[in-house]
Amino acid sequence: DAKTTQPTSMDCAEGRAANLPCNHSTISGNEYVYWYRQIHSQGPQYIIHGLKNNETNEMASLIITEDRKSSTLILPHATLRDTAVYYCIVTVYNQGGKLIFGQGTELSVKP
Amino acid sequence: DAGVIQSPRHEVTEMGQEVTLRCKPISGHDYLFWYRQTMMRGLELLIYFNNNVPIDDSGMPEDRFSAKMPNASFSTLKIQPSEPRDSAVYFCASTAGAGGWTEAFFGQGTRLTVV
Repeated sequence: DAKTTQPTSMDCAEGRAANLPCNHSTISGNEYVYWYRQIHSQGPQYIIHGLKNNETNEMASLIITEDRKSSTLILPHATLRDTAVYYCIVTVYNQGGKLIFGQGTELSVKP
Repeated sequence: DAGVIQSPRHEVTEMGQEVTLRCKPISGHDYLFWYRQTMMRGLELLIYFNNNVPIDDSGMPEDRFSAKMPNASFSTLKIQPSEPRDSAVYFCASTAGAGGWTEAFFGQGTRLTVV
């Protein structure tokens, strides 16, 4: 599985958009980009995933660059409850959900 | 569905004792994963099963760790004998892998303390 690089921590003001970057320069053609988050002491929670097109759901948007070497998770209107560690993971689609977690980005949403 | 259910939520045991962690995956899911989380090492994949068969146990740290999945609705992770360095939060997750999957569902974890 391709390795990902994320900033260790980020701050965001409540109500503003949170943009979380991820580098995955060694991604292979059959690997997807997945984002999970972990709120303090809870199990990780799925957010969104994509292959090469931008994706949006009720939680977030995922922007993947054309060369697929990096991506950005966007939380459009961050709330205090979005404070969590966000993990960017690259994995092939047919391994049943095998996830290799890095250190993630600790996002602090401040009032 | 109640989601992935893990038991116990908290376990405190003495060094040298046997510890058994339990997991009930979401009904119909065919993949089950065991992860361990510590401050030092983060979230680590220990082992995963497909249709009750272990597929990859390369993350299991030592022979003291063993995992089984006797049927589609139950899995155990056993540590025998336990050591203080096994103290961690252990998570179980399941996915509906056949035919493609979108998300892994995690349990609330078991916080293990070995004293």
